[in-house]
Amino acid sequence: DAGVTQSPTHLIKTRGQHVTLRCSPISGHKSVSWYQQVLGQGPQFIFQYYEKEERGRGNFPDRFSARQFPNYSSELNVNALLLGDSALYLCASSLVAVSNQPQHFGDGTRLSIL
Amino acid sequence: AQSVTQPDIHITVSEGASLELRCNYSYGATPYLFWYVQSPGQGLQLLLKYFSGDTLVQGIKGFEAEFKRSQSSFNLRKPSVHWSDAAEYFCAVGNYGGSQGNLIFGKGTKLSVKP
Repeated sequence: DAGVTQSPTHLIKTRGQHVTLRCSPISGHKSVSWYQQVLGQGPQFIFQYYEKEERGRGNFPDRFSARQFPNYSSELNVNALLLGDSALYLCASSLVAVSNQPQHFGDGTRLSIL
Repeated sequence: AQSVTQPDIHITVSEGASLELRCNYSYGATPYLFWYVQSPGQGLQLLLKYFSGDTLVQGIKGFEAEFKRSQSSFNLRKPSVHWSDAAEYFCAVGNYGGSQGNLIFGKGTKLSVKP
């Protein structure tokens, strides 16, 4: 079975632009979470979606938004990009949205802001 | 609020030597604990998890971890390190807060392996 897939792999944008990152969860997984990993740090939680509804939001500005589709895939959108948004964006899926469910990560999208 | 501390930023061990990576968590009840490994340019792979029961848990690739409530620790161990184990290791705790299911990560420990 395919794991969590993310696209694109790499992306270069300039300040002020917006970006859309995509994620397809493991088949059968209904929960998708997004994390931001800045170089040298652990991943930080951005959003969690379950059954197309937002279940949680981390401490990120309103420039960040996300949604989940009926097929459980998800998009992360970031508007008005800042240099500080340069990071590896990781998507993780799990069967359901509870704390004891292991999350399975994709390889991430490397976003560079010039 | 829950938190995870990994005191060692970088550890170097010789191939064949034993390994212990430290992790301390902050949470009042029994936490859900995880160890993940990240190779350069890749996502995170789950090594093992602890929910309850036996405090020594076995994972993939020969890793194990021991939950010690009295020390609020969940250290990762491997008896004999292989060169392919060089990577970054992250300890994480499941969040019981407003969002059910997200993970709180430590800052990671980078493991280098000497030949």
